[in-house]
Amino acid sequence: GNSVTQMEGPVTLSEEAFLTINCTYTATGYPSLFWYVQYPGEGLQLLLKATKADDKGSNKGFEATYRKETTSFHLEKGSVQVSDSAVYFCALSFYSSASKIIFGSGTRLSIRP
Amino acid sequence: NAGVTQTPKFQVLKTGQSMTLQCAQDMNHEYMSWYRQDPGMGLRLIHYSVGAGITDQGEVPNGYNVSRSTTEDFPLRLLSAAPSQTSVYFCASSYSAGESQHFGDGTRLSIL
Repeated sequence: GNSVTQMEGPVTLSEEAFLTINCTYTATGYPSLFWYVQYPGEGLQLLLKATKADDKGSNKGFEATYRKETTSFHLEKGSVQVSDSAVYFCALSFYSSASKIIFGSGTRLSIRP
Repeated sequence: NAGVTQTPKFQVLKTGQSMTLQCAQDMNHEYMSWYRQDPGMGLRLIHYSVGAGITDQGEVPNGYNVSRSTTEDFPLRLLSAAPSQTSVYFCASSYSAGESQHFGDGTRLSIL
């Protein structure tokens, strides 16, 4: 079946540090891949997405590249800020009307000033 | 503002009570879904709908009912509330399952 595996948190970094949150997936076919972010007390928001192999999604300084050969979609940011503290979810889905969306378990990120 | 609106934001119920969590979207999205979020367990899909009149079960459907009589609305019904249903519930919508999801702000539900 289809699944998404994220690195377990919490992840704690100092401001301006480099961030990587690992995400790997198992899927039959060619899914679209997403990163969502959830700030405290809010719903999830789309952070970035990629729809085919080798695509790079980017937004707000975050990047992730769709790697078909390693079935990965790792999230990276070169210099994190305190405002990046949130929970990050990796997800996959297919362009099918009968499809379900599969979310990872989420990774909590805390940034120290 | 356009988006997904969930009501109520907070609710406390007693065991055995029933209630309906409301979800409405004004983006003409066909795909809508309900999730529950529990500490350490991420998001779990309860039910989803690919269009008006069409619903299907997700990962954890027991104890919940849904219907989709219009494109805009997708209410979630708790038939007989149990403490295990204490959670934060999110509704989401998109044009299709393959598109990025728009989430509501959630309903925080406590069952005593």
